[in-house]
Amino acid sequence: QQPVQSPQAVILREGEDAVINCSSSKALYSVHWYRQKHGEAPVFLMILLKGGEQKGHEKISASFNEKKQQSSLYLTASQLSYSGTYFCGTEGVSGGSNYKLTFGKGTLLTVNP
Amino acid sequence: DAGVTQSPTHLIKTRGQHVTLRCSPISGHKSVSWYQQVLGQGPQFIFQYYEKEERGRGNFPDRFSARQFPNYSSELNVNALLLGDSALYLCASSFMTGVATEAFFGQGTRLTVV
Repeated sequence: QQPVQSPQAVILREGEDAVINCSSSKALYSVHWYRQKHGEAPVFLMILLKGGEQKGHEKISASFNEKKQQSSLYLTASQLSYSGTYFCGTEGVSGGSNYKLTFGKGTLLTVNP
Repeated sequence: DAGVTQSPTHLIKTRGQHVTLRCSPISGHKSVSWYQQVLGQGPQFIFQYYEKEERGRGNFPDRFSARQFPNYSSELNVNALLLGDSALYLCASSFMTGVATEAFFGQGTRLTVV
């Protein structure tokens, strides 16, 4: 099932903070975050694993609440370059050797000067 | 190092035709995944291949098929094209399969079915 992202869109001024949320109705093993600028390929930001392990860029922070099957991406002191659509992708715990990453519909972030 | 390369970048096909999309992963990466992205939506998983074997399949009809070659490049084939197949098709490359694997996306192939 597709994870639900909120908000759908957010507008910030440079320097402001934002939180993007991703929730799933099924038990998750991992949450992946990507940013896509218009006309470009999605770019990897972070992976959060069940159990607390994280892999990603130092300037990006995120959390994964395993009990609630929710993840949040924290963007602090936003810069113009942060503008784009943010997607979360989720992997369920029943994957086994079968791989499937399910993306949400995205959150459009616009940072203005 | 070259990133993930996809060809062609744009393609226009007629309903009922067949199309083949190609992807070359990052050197050293053995896994390729295919996604379909409709305008305004997130990427939707189609297939993953690792070491030439299918490791995952999304909810797409049998008209969609793929394969991976010994050099780890991959093809996505779509038969009997429908108008609804119009989308951006993305290929993602990763070192291995499985959870917690960072994926690098190519620029995609924009397919328009008329």
